Amino acid sequence: QQQVKQSPQSLIVQKGGISIINCAYENTAFDYFPWYQQFPGKGPALLIAIRPDVSEKKEGRFTISFNKSAKQFSLHIMDSQPGDSATYFCAASPGRGSTLGRLYFGRGTQLTVWP
Amino acid sequence: GAGVSQSPSNKVTEKGKDVELRCDPISGHTALYWYRQSLGQGLEFLIYFQGNSAPDKSGLPSDRFSAERTGGSVSTLTIQRTQQEDSAVYLCASSFSARARDRAQYFGPGTRLTVL
Repeated sequence: QQQVKQSPQSLIVQKGGISIINCAYENTAFDYFPWYQQFPGKGPALLIAIRPDVSEKKEGRFTISFNKSAKQFSLHIMDSQPGDSATYFCAASPGRGSTLGRLYFGRGTQLTVWP
Repeated sequence: GAGVSQSPSNKVTEKGKDVELRCDPISGHTALYWYRQSLGQGLEFLIYFQGNSAPDKSGLPSDRFSAERTGGSVSTLTIQRTQQEDSAVYLCASSFSARARDRAQYFGPGTRLTVL
């Protein structure tokens, strides 16, 4: 079954607006949560990552919010730009067990930012 | 420094043929991962190497798939007797260590495999 659930599947935002993508998980062994950005024909590029001992991490226009008790995390893109138009994947990775280090990905969100 | 590189970038093959896909990880990265990306299945884990050993092969879809890593560096993913359902983008990623607190995985550009 899908271990990381991502929504929405697609998102259209006006230039300058805020893009918000949400993810949820169940596995309590997950302790590392990265976000990837992917352009057509390219491999996923690491954008930002968070561990559950902090509730928020900001890098430039990108912020991850993390709610450990709800097992949810989200990506906020402030001042969205047309160049941000891409597919975004959330992921989670366990820090222990037989699947140590493996990334479990959400299904992806296709973001379109209109100029 | 150089990122993860993969070759070939594109591979078209006929059903039933064997193919080999190559991955060169970032220098110094001990962990190496193969994933597959297809429209229907999203991004799926295939196999994980720590050094030259593969402690987690559980994502390989069938015994037609195998992978090896030599010298703790280059890895090869081999698909025998390819089928049309094997058509996908095969992605390789590497990280400093699977056990590190910051175990960021960096992906290569992928190999697009088309089985006719």
